[in-house]
Amino acid sequence: DAGITQSPRYKITETGRQVTLMCHQTWSHSYMFWYRQDLGHGLRLIYYSAAADITDKGEVPDGYVVSRSKTENFPLTLESATRSQTSVYFCASSESAGWGEKLIFGSGTQLSVL
Amino acid sequence: KQEVTQIPAALSVPEGENLVLNCSFTDSAIYNLQWFRQDPGKGLTSLLLIQSSQREQTSGRLNASLDKSSGRSTLYIAASQPGDSATYLCAVRPGGGGSNYKLTFGKGTLLTVNP
Repeated sequence: DAGITQSPRYKITETGRQVTLMCHQTWSHSYMFWYRQDLGHGLRLIYYSAAADITDKGEVPDGYVVSRSKTENFPLTLESATRSQTSVYFCASSESAGWGEKLIFGSGTQLSVL
Repeated sequence: KQEVTQIPAALSVPEGENLVLNCSFTDSAIYNLQWFRQDPGKGLTSLLLIQSSQREQTSGRLNASLDKSSGRSTLYIAASQPGDSATYLCAVRPGGGGSNYKLTFGKGTLLTVNP
C-alpha cells in the first residue's frame, strides 16, 4: 500500500539492548523525519534527512543513530536503550522543503524500555 | 528558542457548537504554521498549512488564521461533530525556510465533542 509505514507497531526491550525502528515511504519524498512524543514534552525532533546519505540532528539526538542509504527508508537505531527512551516514535516525510509542503506522519511505534 | 503554547489543554463542547482553538508562539519569524489532528493511538494528520504571508486558510468546516506579528493562530471549527473529537496540535516552522525544517510543536488541545 502507498504511504508511510512504521514497524514494529509495538516493541518492548531491556535497557542496554540495541533497537532499530523502521520507516518506509512509497512516495520517494526527499525529506524524512523522526519525532518522539512524550507526555509533558509534546513532539520533539530527533533526526531528519533531506535526501539519501544526508542527515542532520534535531532537538534530542543523543542516544540515537540514523542512516539513509535509500530514499524510501529511514531507520532509527537506539544503540543502547535507556528507560528515558520509552516513548512513542513517529516517522514523517515531506516531498520537499518548499513553502507549502505538509508533513505526513506514520502511525507510530510505541517503545517500552524496561 | 521558539516556544509554542496551546490553550486550553482540553476542551469539551456539545455537538453543533462552533469553537476556537488557540496557538501562540514566541518568535514571529516563522516560515509557516500547520495545524494537525491526532486521534488516539494514531499519527498526526495535517489539516491546514498557513504560509507566513497568509492570513487564513479554509478547508470545509475548518478555518485557520494567522497573526504573525502578535504570534497567534486560531483554528475555528464550525458546527462541531462527535467525529471531531481528537487532539489538535499546531506547529511552526522557523523563518528562512530552505533546509531549516525543524518544526516546533505545541502540546495540543484535547477536544471532546459530546453528542
